[in-house]
Order: sequence, then C-alpha cells, then structure tokens
Amino acid sequence: GQQLNQSPQSMFIQEGEDVSMNCTSSSIFNTWLWYKQDPGEGPVLLIALYKAGELTSNGRLTAQFGITRKDSFLNISASIPSDVGIYFCAGLNYGGSQGNLIFGKGTKLSVKP
Amino acid sequence: GAGVSQSPRYKVAKRGQDVALRCDPISGHVSLFWYQQALGQGPEFLTYFQNEAQLDKSGLPSDRFFAERPEGSVSTLKIQRTQQEDSAVYLCASSFSLNTEAFFGQGTRLTVV
Repeated sequence: GQQLNQSPQSMFIQEGEDVSMNCTSSSIFNTWLWYKQDPGEGPVLLIALYKAGELTSNGRLTAQFGITRKDSFLNISASIPSDVGIYFCAGLNYGGSQGNLIFGKGTKLSVKP
Repeated sequence: GAGVSQSPRYKVAKRGQDVALRCDPISGHVSLFWYQQALGQGPEFLTYFQNEAQLDKSGLPSDRFFAERPEGSVSTLKIQRTQQEDSAVYLCASSFSLNTEAFFGQGTRLTVV
C-alpha cells in the first residue's frame, strides 16, 4: 500500500541533543500526525497538525505542517533517554476518518553507545 | 476498559491454519480500525467499522481476511488458510467518533510457520 517517505530511517542520539526528522509525500494531506511506538506497544499520538503552515509544540516536541501539505517535520529538543523508540509520521487523506491513516516507515531513535 | 485490549498478544499458526484475533475497544468508542504492521514497516490500514457497520474494507489484502463487529463493540479479525506473508503485528484502534483521536492497542503478533 501507499506509504510516506520518512527520514532518516534511524539515528543515534546523545542525551541533551536536539533531534529532527521529516516526512514527505507525493499526495496532499489535510491532517498530519506524529506517533511514537515503543517495543511491544501500539503507536501513541504525540502531535496532530490540522492546517497548512501550522507549527505546534507539545513540551519538548515541535512539529510543522508543510505549506504545500505534502510534508511535515518533527523536532525533539534536549533529548532524554526515554525518547528512544520509533517515530512514525502519518497523513490523513481528505474525507477520511482519523483512523484511516497512511503511515511512514518510521525513524528509529537509539542511544549512542 | 481503560484502553484498547487485544488478544492473544502472540499467536503462532501453522501454514494453512485459520486464526481469529480479538479486539476490545475502549467502552463507548464508535469507530474501530484494524491495521497490519510488518516487521520494520509502518502500520497499514486494513478496515474500519462505525458501530457494527464495516464502512471501509479496502485495505484487506485478500478474501482470506475477514473482520466483523456484530454488536458494535468487540471486533474479530479472522484470517483463513494463513500464509507466511501474513506474519505481522495486527493493531486495533478505536475512537469516540470519526475525526477524533484513535487509540491503539498493543497488537497481536502473528507468526505463521
């Protein structure tokens, strides 16, 4: 099925570093969402974006809905060990329900050895 | 219940066996969704229900996959004559209504041997 292009695929962080990841699509979405998934768990919603150009923060997380409606980024500031996990972007097709999402392949965040 | 509950958490099936995966949504949630997540991939939409009505089953990969929600609460995803390519985590999500946040369960990891 259709998936979004999410990058990077993986990254290593050191505590205190800022982290940035992004998502692009060939299709327009009217809603972008960012989820975090821990091992053995389902995805948990972090941030939802509903308007092109919208910039939204949730604690140390900041996400933006691209003006073209075809991209979004997520920034994590001052990372901490519990930020480790897999982050997914997801786009909602126009007219769909919030559950009918197209997901990216994920960005895996790990701690630098 | 407090969250979306899925059972079993793990299922090993022999190729050709039928399996049934259960989802208990959050009490009062009208919408229920099934996703398939292959290893290293993002979740992919399978189907969704509003109450007992299956409104979209466009993501079901073949006619071996069947989902039902007869009383508008618990849902079962059935896979007949399982194949190795069916091995994945099957995620269920529910939401109070369309266009509100969908909450995911922990998933059922299906391994077909």
